[in-house]
Amino acid sequence: GAVVSQHPSWVICKSGTSVKIECRSLDFQATTMFWYRQFPKQSLMLMATSNEGSKATYEQGVEKDKFLINHASLTLSTLTVTSAHPEDSSFYICSARDREGSPYEQYFGPGTRLTVT
Amino acid sequence: QKEVEQDPGPLSVPEGAIVSLNCTYSNSAFQYFMWYRQYSRKGPELLMYTYSSGNKEDGRFTAQVDKSSKYISLFIRDSQPSDSATYLCAMYSRRGSRLTFGEGTQLTVNP
Repeated sequence: GAVVSQHPSWVICKSGTSVKIECRSLDFQATTMFWYRQFPKQSLMLMATSNEGSKATYEQGVEKDKFLINHASLTLSTLTVTSAHPEDSSFYICSARDREGSPYEQYFGPGTRLTVT
Repeated sequence: QKEVEQDPGPLSVPEGAIVSLNCTYSNSAFQYFMWYRQYSRKGPELLMYTYSSGNKEDGRFTAQVDKSSKYISLFIRDSQPSDSATYLCAMYSRRGSRLTFGEGTQLTVNP
């Protein structure tokens, strides 16, 4: 149980285009989902927290107009990187908190590797 | 100063060795302490969690938390090449309502 999927697993796009990443909880309902970014050999940096049906809360320094997050249902959250630039190239990982679970438990997706050329 | 400090390594050990991974933290509000394992180009997977101080054992893995010293450890006994990964400590407080990760320690177990 407690499986989180991400799609796509990797994507290459041209500078200036937008990319959408999906995060799905497959066997549980997630009231809260988190989006992280991870650069090579670095830890996970929390970008934003999204609660189903409400606006996402962004961490300091994360541009909300650039990283659009939508959490339209209890099993799906999307991250759209708008007008992507090479510096946005990174490993994006989502996690989800089970509505029935403990607040400290997060289940992570396999990640999406974004390369902007 | 970072809330959670973790030596990034890399750490290289022979197969069968006992591995000790550690993190220190500064926020006394942390109540839950987790260890995640992350293989290259994959998402983290939860290995163990501990609430407050104490020890917890699961097979070859033992997690220790010393809240008085703000120090947590993960021990891996009889390490295997399949244990080669990056190990991330993470901490949670109800007040913050989020996980705070250490930098991760890259471990290689050589056959």
